[in-house]
Amino acid sequence: DQQVKQNSPSLSVQEGRISILNCDYTNSMFDYFLWYKKYPAEGPTFLISISSIKDKNEDGRFTVFLNKSAKHLSLHIVPSQPGDSAVYFCAASPPSGTYKYIFGTGTRLKVLA
Amino acid sequence: NAGVTQTPKFQVLKTGQSMTLQCAQDMNHNSMYWYRQDPGMGLRLIYYSASEGTTDKGEVPNGYNVSRLNKREFSLRLESAAPSQTSVYFCASRRGQGTTEAFFGQGTRLTVV
Repeated sequence: DQQVKQNSPSLSVQEGRISILNCDYTNSMFDYFLWYKKYPAEGPTFLISISSIKDKNEDGRFTVFLNKSAKHLSLHIVPSQPGDSAVYFCAASPPSGTYKYIFGTGTRLKVLA
Repeated sequence: NAGVTQTPKFQVLKTGQSMTLQCAQDMNHNSMYWYRQDPGMGLRLIYYSASEGTTDKGEVPNGYNVSRLNKREFSLRLESAAPSQTSVYFCASRRGQGTTEAFFGQGTRLTVV
């Protein structure tokens, strides 16, 4: 039972355009969400996060949107750059007091020059 | 800044052999984790350690054991390797619970033949 789902395994976007990566979750008790980026042969690195009490968090070119009623979050990258080409994982954290992230299956983003 | 260091980076085992994957972090983090990454499956939690002296099972613990040797080190042992354990293994650490992000090592690519 996949509690965090990324239904698009891959996405291609032209350089300079917007990239939108999507993530759906099933457990309404999740209270914190994160996005990680992973390059080949490297470990994932933290990108941006959002608390369930917010609906938007922005950091430079990266913005995460949270729609709690739809149990959906998205990562927007504007403008997209070739260096953004990587696999992106969303992760959800159960309520405070636990230590486990649940990761999605990942979306491979390719930004075309 | 070493961060999270995993050894070895690559390993080939024969079915039935045993081995230990080593992980050390120098960030004074309390929590440490072992994940495996398989195509189309995302990152799945094998075991975690919320603090020194404690370990708990994650989503896919069967066939693995762990030891939290001290605050810095968290090892993963395969007692009798099976081809189904062919994967990329990542160690991660976090300062604590809840809203802190995780820092990942570069991974160990393990092949069991």
